[in-house]
Parts: sequence; C-alpha cells; structure tokens
Amino acid sequence: EIVLTQSPGTLSLSPGERATLSCRASQSISGNSLGWYQQKPGQAPRLLIYGASTRATGIPDRFSGGGSGTDFTLTISRLEPEDFVLYYCQQYGSSPWTFGQGTKVEVK
Amino acid sequence: EVQLVESGGGLVKPGGSLRLSCAASGFTFSSYSMAWVRQAAGKGLEWVSSISSRGSSTYYAESVRGRFTISRDYAKNSLYLQMNGLRAEDTAMYFCVRDEGRFPYLYWGQGTLVTVSS
Repeated sequence: EIVLTQSPGTLSLSPGERATLSCRASQSISGNSLGWYQQKPGQAPRLLIYGASTRATGIPDRFSGGGSGTDFTLTISRLEPEDFVLYYCQQYGSSPWTFGQGTKVEVK
Repeated sequence: EVQLVESGGGLVKPGGSLRLSCAASGFTFSSYSMAWVRQAAGKGLEWVSSISSRGSSTYYAESVRGRFTISRDYAKNSLYLQMNGLRAEDTAMYFCVRDEGRFPYLYWGQGTLVTVSS
C-alpha cells in the first residue's frame, strides 16, 4: 500500500501568514489522485482539494494544492483564525486508499 | 441534501462484538459504493472497509479482515459494520462515508464512538 508522510507534524504560524504543508508518497500516485482534508475538533473531515490541485465546491481560494508524482503541497495563502486546525492528505489512486498522519496548524 | 447518520457505537469488552449502522438519505443509495473510515483519538484516519453499490463486492483493511463484516440493506437505505473479536486497538470514532469511486470522500457522517476496554 502507498504510505503518505505529512510534514511538518505541527506548523506554528500567525494569522495572515502563509502556510505550506507537505505530503510525500512512498510511490508515485497515479493520475495525481491526491486529496486534502481539513478537520476541526469534534467534526468529520471536510474535503478541500481533489486531483492534487482542484478546490472542492465552496472552498475559499486562499487554499491551493500542487505537486505531482510523489510530492504534493497544500498552501494556505493567508491564514484566517478558523484555519488553525488539522489537515490530512489522502491518495485514492491505488487500493487501499490511504491517509497521511496529519499536520496541525497552530497559532504561534 | 446528503445525510449519513451513524449509530451503534459504545463500550465493549475485548473479544466482544458490536454492530454499527449508518442511515443514508438525500441520494440514491443503490447507486453508490459505501465505506467505513475510523480515527483513533489523536490519531490519523484509516480506511476500514468498503462495499460496492450492488453489495456483490466487499473489501477490508488487513487489520480487520476476518473479524469485521460490511453489509447493506437497500430497503432501509442503511450500511452496517458487524465487528467481532474486538481488540483495544479497534477503539476509535467510526465514520460512514459515501464512496465516490476514484475520488476522495466528499460526504461523511458525524461518527460513532467505539471503545474496547475491560
């Protein structure tokens, strides 16, 4: 199975700053089948990005995804107070679908 | 509006059994594969099991194969997860999700908590 490694584990930033989260796969992900989720405390994950770079419906344009092959990034251009939560990547190119271990974005 | 509502979680002793349910509404249940994803407290997400739209194919994570059984009831628009031989490491929030095929999980339930402890 494809192992996804997210870094850093915790990202300490201030509101208004730019956040760059990384997701590295143990092997190339076919079709750039990589998604990003945001999870707030006590809630289910919410899909932000699919196909590595396409924003899901209703997702603000400060969220952007990039990368291909084995290296992917999620960028939040200007952090809003509600963005200081958990983020996960998921690959859905090879069965079984797998998730990264998560990156927590916290207030510095 | 797509809604997925899980139930059936609770406290169970190691070796015990539990059956989770997920009531689906707002879409044509028979047209979609469905899946269960779990999350241990403070941990990441783990796909557990999937079932095809017609129920003819089922898939399991290695960690639960032989102990868990996924099924669905079209008359009740419901998804189930029968969990036998439960272990402490099965303790987690279990989410019901609509499987979109080669696409991430767009719709999630609110989750039901399973705690395996003596």
